[in-house]
Amino acid sequence: KAGVTQTPRYLIKTRGQQVTLSCSPISGHRSVSWYQQTPGQGLQFLFEYFSETQRNKGNFPGRFSGRQFSNSRSEMNVSTLELGDSALYLCASSTGQGVYGYTFGSGTRLTVV
Amino acid sequence: GESVGLHLPTLSVQEGDNSIINCAYSNSASDYFIWYKQESGKGPQFIIDIRSNMDKRQGQRVTVLLNKTVKHLSLQIAATQPGDSAVYFCAEAYTGANSKLTFGKGITLSVRP
Repeated sequence: KAGVTQTPRYLIKTRGQQVTLSCSPISGHRSVSWYQQTPGQGLQFLFEYFSETQRNKGNFPGRFSGRQFSNSRSEMNVSTLELGDSALYLCASSTGQGVYGYTFGSGTRLTVV
Repeated sequence: GESVGLHLPTLSVQEGDNSIINCAYSNSASDYFIWYKQESGKGPQFIIDIRSNMDKRQGQRVTVLLNKTVKHLSLQIAATQPGDSAVYFCAEAYTGANSKLTFGKGITLSVRP
């Protein structure tokens, strides 16, 4: 069974631009969570989507947003990029029964220059 | 690959020895705990979990110990192998409504041949 797929794997953007990252969950999984990973802050929760609705949200500015489609695929968007947004963005999917059974993708490495 | 091990403490062990990785968690209400392993260029991979009604759980070559009194979690790896070299994260969650995982900072395990 295919794992969690994140595209693209690597991305370089310029300050002020916006970016969209994609996550395809494991078939049958209805929950997608997004995390930002940096060397200084570690893994920080961005938000979770379940059945096309945002179910939980972390402490990130409004420049970070997401959505989920009817096929459970999810996208996250970062507008007006800042240098500090450079990070590995990870998504994890699960059946949606709480935090059990998270499976992570390999992430998208975003570099802002 | 991704350098997620920057700024993290490192545990260096000899191949064949047992490893013990420790984690202090923050929320006394947390009732579910997970250990993840992250290799360079990959997302976190589930190793083992434990619920708060247990104090020990064993898997294949791994054991997780939970001490709720001092909010401490440890991961023991028996007969450590070169393939165990990675960054290890503990994560905690309160499995109530809108639960989410909160990750620790991570520890780099380096196995000497």
